[in-house]
This record gives sequence, structure tokens and C-alpha cells, in this order.
Amino acid sequence: DSGVTQTPKHLITATGQRVTLRCSPRSGDLSVYWYQQSLDQGLQFLIQYYNGEERAKGNILERFSAQQFPDLHSELNLSSLELGDSALYFCASSPSGEARHEQYFGPGTRLTVT
Amino acid sequence: GQQVMQIPQYQHVQEGEDFTTYCNSSTTLSNIQWYKQRPGGHPVFLIQLVKSGEVKKQKRLTFQFGEAKKNSSLHITATQTTDVGTYFCAFQGNNYGQNFVFGPGTRLSVLP
Repeated sequence: DSGVTQTPKHLITATGQRVTLRCSPRSGDLSVYWYQQSLDQGLQFLIQYYNGEERAKGNILERFSAQQFPDLHSELNLSSLELGDSALYFCASSPSGEARHEQYFGPGTRLTVT
Repeated sequence: GQQVMQIPQYQHVQEGEDFTTYCNSSTTLSNIQWYKQRPGGHPVFLIQLVKSGEVKKQKRLTFQFGEAKKNSSLHITATQTTDVGTYFCAFQGNNYGQNFVFGPGTRLSVLP
């Protein structure tokens, strides 16, 4: 158990819909990262927040947005969903926003778009 | 942007054989991390390398960072079935706001 929690564990929705994925970082960690992992694919970095502020942005679609709240939990919003958005979405946390700290991954949310 | 390659993409070994995966970056890295993801699981941090030429060991695992800090390797001695999974190298760009990049991973299968 990494100490990072993600909800929901599974999500099935239809094309065109909007969903929100939630992540609670490890106690004391200030940085949250979001990743997308499609079937048998690698991890695609989406976005990083540090202490409420956006720190780095990857190949995140305009239909996707994220935020980190004052209590440091984070939400990833996915809208106008397409079949290709079906994937495993991981959240990870680390103590700081710096690359020198390891990331602790949550169990992931499996999104299926039908 | 920074590119990273990992070879091989897949590796099947007999239990007891050694295994090595290589990670190559197009640019010099300030540090590199290695993660392992078991089938159906989430990535788990293994180690971080920072210094040029650094070598670190964790039981049967040996990690190396190249002298030029553009490549790294993970070697497993005498593989066990518990080593099954995908091994990723990862790093963040050196500048503020740089993406965190994971390599494509090497999937290891260990036959008993």
C-alpha cells in the first residue's frame, strides 16, 4: 500500500460524457502527478501539481483538466469522452515538486468508454 | 523534447537466468529513476541514480548510470518468478516545468 488513494477503482461511461477521477496523495506529499496508461502501453505523463499550482504539463488533451485543492487532493476531469480515452489513469504523489524525489503511485482508476 | 528508449521491449528468460534492460536518453539527465510494474499492478519505485557512473545494488538487482548520464541499465541476477513485470526508467527534464518522462518499458517474463 503506497498511501495514495484513488477513486473510483472502475468507471464505465458512454462517449460524450464527462467524468471526474479523484486522488488523495500520501500524507505530507505536496506534489501530485497524473498519468494515462492505455492497454499494454507505457505511462503517458499528463500533468503535475505542486502545492495547488500547476508545475508541469505533458500531452494532456484540451478536453482534460485537473486541479489540486487546498487539502492537496487532486481531481482529473475528462470531458467529451471518446472510445480512445479508455485507459488506466494513475495518480502519483511525491514529497516535493523536484525530480529528485521518487513518486508513489495509487492503484489507478480503470476507465472504460463505451 | 527529450526522447528515451528502452531495450529490449520484451524479454523471456528461464528462471535462474540473468536479465538486463537498457535505458537510453537523447539528452543528458540530472538523475534517473527505475520503477517496476507487476501485471495488474501500479508502478513501484525501485531506485534513483544521480551521479555519473553510479552503481547501486539491491539484492539481486544492479543499477548503473552511464558516465555521460545519458543511459542507464538494470541487471537482475538469477531471475525468479517474482521478478515478472515491466521495468520502466523515468526522469524529469532538467528545467522547471519539464515533463516527467517514462521510458516505454521492458516486459520481463520468467518461465519456471
